[in-house]
Amino acid sequence: GQSLEQPSEVTAVEGAIVQINCTYQTSGFYGLSWYQQHDGGAPTFLSYNALDGLEETGRFSSFLSRSDSYGYLLLQELQMKDSASYFCAVLYNQGGKLIFGQGTELSVKP
Amino acid sequence: DSGVTQTPKHLITATGQRVTLRCSPRSGDLSVYWYQQSLDQGLQFLIQYYNGEERAKGNILERFSAQQFPDLHSELNLSSLELGDSALYFCASSAGTGDYEQYFGPGTRLTVT
Repeated sequence: GQSLEQPSEVTAVEGAIVQINCTYQTSGFYGLSWYQQHDGGAPTFLSYNALDGLEETGRFSSFLSRSDSYGYLLLQELQMKDSASYFCAVLYNQGGKLIFGQGTELSVKP
Repeated sequence: DSGVTQTPKHLITATGQRVTLRCSPRSGDLSVYWYQQSLDQGLQFLIQYYNGEERAKGNILERFSAQQFPDLHSELNLSSLELGDSALYFCASSAGTGDYEQYFGPGTRLTVT
């Protein structure tokens, strides 16, 4: 089957760095995406890794290791507005099918 | 604002009923995706249409069906509704057929009583 595992909750303080891990058991996918969702709002795209390695987009970076079936999202200089749920998702090689993990709720404390 | 619109925003209906959710993609996008988000199942891919044709299918129930019209808007039809169908239903769109960056609409919150 296809499954992705993420921690359910992470707490960090403003200004800190936090890493949200994602492990997966699946094959035949194009890459790993990350989405952010604030309190039941629309998920918004953050980052994508097609190849192994690190992708950096401002304060957010994402990493993929296919050999380890593992990826992570790194958020730097945390701000209160970063409090949200973060989802990893694999993009399958059949159309645009995104399979999402259960999400990690990040709480940023002052 | 992603540019994807969904109507209605909220829907409350009774078990056994049928509802239609509507989605208009961003201007220029040819793909429309439907996702269901419930508390216990997370975000689940239902189905994708590209330029009017079904492109990919997830674990969509037989009671659910979708279509994409020539003007590219899409409708998700849910019938014989059960309590467990209560969820947030998101539509997303993208330009191509296999895009990792999908633009999500605000969702329709369906409550089945």
